[in-house]
Amino acid sequence: GESVGLHLPTLSVQEGDNSIINCAYSNSASDYFIWYKQESGKGPQFIIDIRSNMDKRQGQRVTVLLNKTVKHLSLQIAATQPGDSAVYFCAENIRPPHSGAGSYQLTFGKGTKLSVIP
Amino acid sequence: DARVTQTPRDKVTEMGQEVTMRCQPILGHNTVFWYRQTMMQGLELLAYFRNRAPLDDSGMPKDRFSAEMPDATLATLKIQPSEPRDSAVYFCASASNTGELFFGEGSRLTVL
Repeated sequence: GESVGLHLPTLSVQEGDNSIINCAYSNSASDYFIWYKQESGKGPQFIIDIRSNMDKRQGQRVTVLLNKTVKHLSLQIAATQPGDSAVYFCAENIRPPHSGAGSYQLTFGKGTKLSVIP
Repeated sequence: DARVTQTPRDKVTEMGQEVTMRCQPILGHNTVFWYRQTMMQGLELLAYFRNRAPLDDSGMPKDRFSAEMPDATLATLKIQPSEPRDSAVYFCASASNTGELFFGEGSRLTVL
């Protein structure tokens, strides 16, 4: 079936460098995408989201890019810091039919572990 | 600081025992989700509720799992009887109509 997947399971970057985490999705009906960060022993934490009518969204040190043509999502972290070390998940939302605003079911990818080298 | 609260944080039990996990969603959030996380499967949606009504529990094994929301401040996930394959971290998350999910810290379950 259709699912969210990740290109790289692990990523090591030098402190101060930029990080790019990639995610492929295959469901063309997905209308909303989210990146989550999960630190060891904690629950996933929202980082940034993007709707399917956008191709780029920026937050504080993070940027999400959406390429609907190739069904690709990426998370860019500028000036990566040791505190960025975590597992990063992308999630896609397929709004259930006949559902109201705010209705959604997220499907999560397997995650990419980011390790920052001091 | 509003947060989703889950109990217990850690639970070790023997096969066959009943396990109940509890979740207090963020006040005012009308949608509550239960997820299970394992190394092999990642995060899987088990069930979710809107305004306390179950909307989807297709991801949940019906023979042993049950999820309820007795009131707006409490969601429960029960496993009876528990099996070793149920060992995982169970996350509760809540959301308002704006859509952003807030996760709890999780309940780590080990079934021996």
